[in-house]
Amino acid sequence: DAMVIQNPRYQVTQFGKPVTLSCSQTLNHNVMYWYQQKSSQAPKLLFHYYDKDFNNEADTPDNFQSRRPNTSFCFLDIRSPGLGDAAMYLCATSREAGSYNEQFFGPGTRLTVL
Amino acid sequence: AQTVTQSQPEMSVQEAETVTLSCTYDTSESDYYLFWYKQPPSRQMILVIRQEAYKQQNATENRFSVNFQKAAKSFSLKISDSQLGDAAMYFCAYRSEMNRDDKIIFGKGTRLHILP
Repeated sequence: DAMVIQNPRYQVTQFGKPVTLSCSQTLNHNVMYWYQQKSSQAPKLLFHYYDKDFNNEADTPDNFQSRRPNTSFCFLDIRSPGLGDAAMYLCATSREAGSYNEQFFGPGTRLTVL
Repeated sequence: AQTVTQSQPEMSVQEAETVTLSCTYDTSESDYYLFWYKQPPSRQMILVIRQEAYKQQNATENRFSVNFQKAAKSFSLKISDSQLGDAAMYFCAYRSEMNRDDKIIFGKGTRLHILP
């Protein structure tokens, strides 16, 4: 089935140790998003790619970066994770940009920072 | 800036009964979309229903329907004949039609429990 896949589902890292989360999609969608969702809070958009065009949210910390080497894959790099970065990270895709287009979400990666 | 408020952190409903989840939002825009997303435990978030602000008719998807009151900026979700599989976190969300930054603004969510 076409879907959005996130690996790993659970990731443990140490304070300050770089970590990379991955997302892949078989939907061939143009747009890919990364959200951060802390416990009992709403998902918060970090950035998104429209094709290869990167769009960063103004309040996304510099500690967070992203790469999209091709249509199918998108990575979230956290350069120096702090305790406050522990969260669920959700990847989503959309066929096109624009309000009407549905976003399809992956199952998320739960990041623990020790 | 737009905001989305869900005033009910948790709700419970008996199986087969009807439940309504509340959502209000604040915006100065006239064109936008509203969504309800469902996030089951340990599973991905999926779209339940969407509403275009320019449409007066309330959206309906099988057992799910909305009550969209544009003037009151209210967008509630009604689940009829509740089933155990409806247990999840439900997020109300807003997306601007005019602002092309593609951002969805989510409420904090309502956790729905289904009682057998």
